Amino acid sequence: DIQMTQSPSSLSASVGDRVTITCRASQSISIYLNWYQQKPGKAPNLLIYTASSLQGGVPSRFSGSGSGTDFTLTINSLQPEDFATYFCQQSYRTPLTFGGGTKVEIK
Amino acid sequence: QVQLQESGPGLVKPSETLSLTCSVSGGSISGYYWSWIRQPPGKGLEWIGYIHDSGSTSSNPSLKSRVTISLDTSKNQFSLKLSSVTAADTAVYYCARDFNAYARWLDPWGQGTLVTVSS
Repeated sequence: DIQMTQSPSSLSASVGDRVTITCRASQSISIYLNWYQQKPGKAPNLLIYTASSLQGGVPSRFSGSGSGTDFTLTINSLQPEDFATYFCQQSYRTPLTFGGGTKVEIK
Repeated sequence: QVQLQESGPGLVKPSETLSLTCSVSGGSISGYYWSWIRQPPGKGLEWIGYIHDSGSTSSNPSLKSRVTISLDTSKNQFSLKLSSVTAADTAVYYCARDFNAYARWLDPWGQGTLVTVSS
């Protein structure tokens, strides 16, 4: 299985901050990396697919980059509704696997 | 827009079979892949498996021998059966459309249903 490692596992930030979350794959996955946002008690919601493509309806302050084994999710100007947990997921090979999550909390 | 809704028992006894159904509305189940994913309380996400309306299935090797995924196009539903459950199978179970073409992602997801394994 392809292992996905996210860092940090949690972070505290203020409204208006720029936040960066990283995801590393245990082998090259090209650009087959997706990002999801999950709020408490809710299902994950797709933010970014194929590493850098913004899903429809997702604010442009979210962006993704990377290829191979190293990927980044950036949130520019953090908004109150962005406090949530973020997961990366590789779709290069089954079984699909997810990172452990990064919880973004209010400072 | 497509919406998914999971349904099934919230409590299953150890050694029995967990059975869940995902109802798809706002679009046809035909022509797509459909996945099940689970999340133990307070933990991360685990992909369980997928089905395509061609009948093609794939499941996580960690669960493979216990997982059966089926699809009923007449009802626009797909189902999950997980046999010989233990407390470790307690989780929120989600269904999702598995976009699987030039790339692959899970969207949208159902709201999830908590299944507790306990006697």
